[in-house]
Amino acid sequence: DVVMTQSPLSLPVTLGQPASISCRSSQSLVANDGYIYLNWFQQRPGQSPRRLIYKVSNRDSGVPDRFSGSGSGTDFTLKISRVEAEDVGVYYCMQVTHWPPITFGQGTRLEIK
Amino acid sequence: EVQLLESGGGLVQPGGSLRLSCAASGFTFSDYDMSWVRRTPGKGLEWVATINHRDDNTFYADSVKGRFTISRDNSKNTAYLQMHSLRVEDTAVYHCAQGGWLDFWGLGTLVTVPS
Repeated sequence: DVVMTQSPLSLPVTLGQPASISCRSSQSLVANDGYIYLNWFQQRPGQSPRRLIYKVSNRDSGVPDRFSGSGSGTDFTLKISRVEAEDVGVYYCMQVTHWPPITFGQGTRLEIK
Repeated sequence: EVQLLESGGGLVQPGGSLRLSCAASGFTFSDYDMSWVRRTPGKGLEWVATINHRDDNTFYADSVKGRFTISRDNSKNTAYLQMHSLRVEDTAVYHCAQGGWLDFWGLGTLVTVPS
């Protein structure tokens, strides 16, 4: 199974400042078709998880452009250019390149300083 | 608007059974694979199972294989998760999600298996 490792696990950020979350996979996530099936999810308190980014860098509909994804191979990053109060929550990376099983990172808890 | 509404969670003793339902609306249900994912404070998110849109192929996490069964009724726009031989470690909030890429999620239903 592909192991997904996120860092940091806790991320205190000042409002208006940038934030960055790293996600590393135990093997390359490049699929046979050349795509990388790495997604990012946000879970705000009391809400269902919401997908933000799919295939490394594609923002889902309605996701603010302050969120961006990047990476290749085994190293991936989610960046928030300027953190807002509504960004508080837990962020997860997930791979579906080598499934089953679908595997998630441990989650990164973003909080406001 | 895609909506997924889970139900059927509750308190069940170890070794017991429970069936979860996921009522879907806002999209053509029969066009999409459906998945179940569970969430715990300690372990975060764990994929449980996926069923393809034609209802002829299913996939399971090793931790639930042989105990859980995912199914669907396309005429009712509903997915199910039948859970048997429940264990303390199955305690979690169970979410259903649209697709194999987990495009949209429901709020979840809490399953508690006490020690």
